[in-house]
Amino acid sequence: AQTVTQSQPEMSVQEAETVTLSCTYDTSESDYYLFWYKQPPSRQMILVIRQEAYKQQNATENRFSVNFQKAAKSFSLKISDSQLGDAAMYFCAFKPRYGNKLVFGAGTILRVKS
Amino acid sequence: SAVISQKPSRDICQRGTSLTIQCQVDSQVTMMFWYRQQPGQSLTLIATANQGSEATYESGFVIDKFPISRPNLTFSTLTVSNMSPEDSSIYLCSGHRTGGVRRSYNEQFFGPGTRLTVL
Repeated sequence: AQTVTQSQPEMSVQEAETVTLSCTYDTSESDYYLFWYKQPPSRQMILVIRQEAYKQQNATENRFSVNFQKAAKSFSLKISDSQLGDAAMYFCAFKPRYGNKLVFGAGTILRVKS
Repeated sequence: SAVISQKPSRDICQRGTSLTIQCQVDSQVTMMFWYRQQPGQSLTLIATANQGSEATYESGFVIDKFPISRPNLTFSTLTVSNMSPEDSSIYLCSGHRTGGVRRSYNEQFFGPGTRLTVL
């Protein structure tokens, strides 16, 4: 069975600064996806970024990038130039390529200070 | 990605009653799922809604308590039956689409959730 661990229950960052959210996972699968989802207070879960395990290049979406370390089973999210709108709960999630269910971490609350 | 809507967005119900939550996707999806989320916590998968057949439930969830329908590829309902205060939670619907070579396109997206309070 797969597990996803987010060891930081809460993080704070100053507006315009950079913050990194940690995620580790455990799996025996070799081919899978990793995701970061954002859930603001409005509750709408939004996909932030996705990484395919067979791709060595780290995914990037504008101010969001990941550091994917497959051997270490680590998948951290870096948010650059943090904005007030980035404040939310962030979930790391895992899915085998040929499976259908997402496995979520416990989440990290990100607070952005102005 | 597709857009998912849920009705109602929130409700307050009396103990012992039932509530049906509707989930509508604006385009066809391969899979639909129902989750439960306590405020400030992670998501717990209740079941996979299968089109034209009985839903597949996760451990700890049963059909009598959470009957699910999925009559077509874009619509599903979740009923929370014989409610108790312990059922107070946020219920989320999600859709999943795959495609492309080696399932290279693979995305799960979520509805806005239904906040249920049981008195």
